[in-house]
Amino acid sequence: SQWGEENLQALSIQEGEDVTMNCSYKTYTTVVQWYRQKSGKGPAQLILIRSNEREKRSGRLRATLDTSSQSSSLSITGTLATDTAVYFCAPYYNVLYFGSGTKLTVEP
Amino acid sequence: EAAVTQSPRSKVAVTGGKVTLSCHQTNNHDYMYWYRQDTGHGLRLIHYSYVADSTEKGDIPDGYKASRPSQENFSLILELASLSQTAVYFCASSEGTGDQAPLFGEGTRLSVL
Repeated sequence: SQWGEENLQALSIQEGEDVTMNCSYKTYTTVVQWYRQKSGKGPAQLILIRSNEREKRSGRLRATLDTSSQSSSLSITGTLATDTAVYFCAPYYNVLYFGSGTKLTVEP
Repeated sequence: EAAVTQSPRSKVAVTGGKVTLSCHQTNNHDYMYWYRQDTGHGLRLIHYSYVADSTEKGDIPDGYKASRPSQENFSLILELASLSQTAVYFCASSEGTGDQAPLFGEGTRLSVL
């Protein structure tokens, strides 16, 4: 993707494990959003992090943003089978551009 | 309840035919978007609009037109559908600031034969 790129195309783990997905983007932005897309559905926002926040948590999710390296990460702790989905980072440049996504499979 | 409704949900079109995908939002959002998703890939921005009667090009506008006749409605038009335009199309709406998460429709699965 021209805008954002997750570091892994596909990942398979066991339920209960922790996972971190990384994203790099090519142009400076002050906002990065992370989305989850389940099979057959549209993307749904998980977490939004701004340039003045180095870390943001929401339940089992933790996002980081490093504007100097133009990168962001999303961590999920204690994964569940229901976390199986494609995860996208979406740097914001007046409109929302999506990375190519990481397909996460959590085996029960 | 805030919603983005796409129609049709699926469509089979013939090569060279005209296809119109419709999107309706009840969120009073200024911004509306059309994205394309190919199997196993991310979403790519085709067109967007931040005000009625005006549209903007996204990353992949070639072969697509967009129309925003009102704040609530945003259409994507394929004047001459091609095989390469087989994909799932998502419409979304948002307030238009980085702080707001777009709301997505359920998608339209388009097959061009």
